[in-house]
Amino acid sequence: AQSVTQPDIHITVSEGASLELRCNYSYGATPYLFWYVQSPGQGLQLLLKYFSGDTLVQGIKGFEAEFKRSQSSFNLRKPSVHWSDAAEYFCAVGPKTSYDKVIFGPGTSLSVIP
Amino acid sequence: EAQVTQNPRYLITVTGKKLTVTCSQNMNHEYMSWYRQDPGLGLRQIYYSMNVEVTDKGDVPEGYKVSRKEKRNFPLILESPSPNQTSLYFCASSSLGTSGRSDTQYFGPGTRLTVL
Repeated sequence: AQSVTQPDIHITVSEGASLELRCNYSYGATPYLFWYVQSPGQGLQLLLKYFSGDTLVQGIKGFEAEFKRSQSSFNLRKPSVHWSDAAEYFCAVGPKTSYDKVIFGPGTSLSVIP
Repeated sequence: EAQVTQNPRYLITVTGKKLTVTCSQNMNHEYMSWYRQDPGLGLRQIYYSMNVEVTDKGDVPEGYKVSRKEKRNFPLILESPSPNQTSLYFCASSSLGTSGRSDTQYFGPGTRLTVL
């Protein structure tokens, strides 16, 4: 069955510390991979995406993610977190074909300590 | 400005009273979708549409209807709302790209629905 897991429900980091949010998926062939961010009271915004090619993808706001096929993972990283990064982060996968669905993970809530 | 708009943003209603949440996008996107967001469950897809007059069920379609008569609009209809439909709803749109697959999704601001 197709699924996306984000093992960490909630993470707290200090401002300036590094960050890694984990995402694992089960989807058969390599799908499109996305990370979205949801600030409080807002809709979701794309941080970055992977379709093919270089497995290290750069996104907005200083985020990057690395696709590891052998681990079926697409972890999100940032070297130095800012207080404004506090938000909910969603990993999403799909679609494999035109009519496949995009599947979202349950989300990881990030808190940043000043 | 490229955007997805939803109305209303907040709605409190009672069980059984039909309601419609509108969604409109100005990016000429073929693909549109409705999601509901519940704590601990992430986003679950309700319905999606690949183009005008083409709609299909997502993961949680029970109790909802949609229509796609125009490319820009994709309303979500609850014919007889029930308390378990209390949730935060998002509309999204995307282009299909050369591969015919949904690309980056652009999300509306959300509609918080409470059914008493």
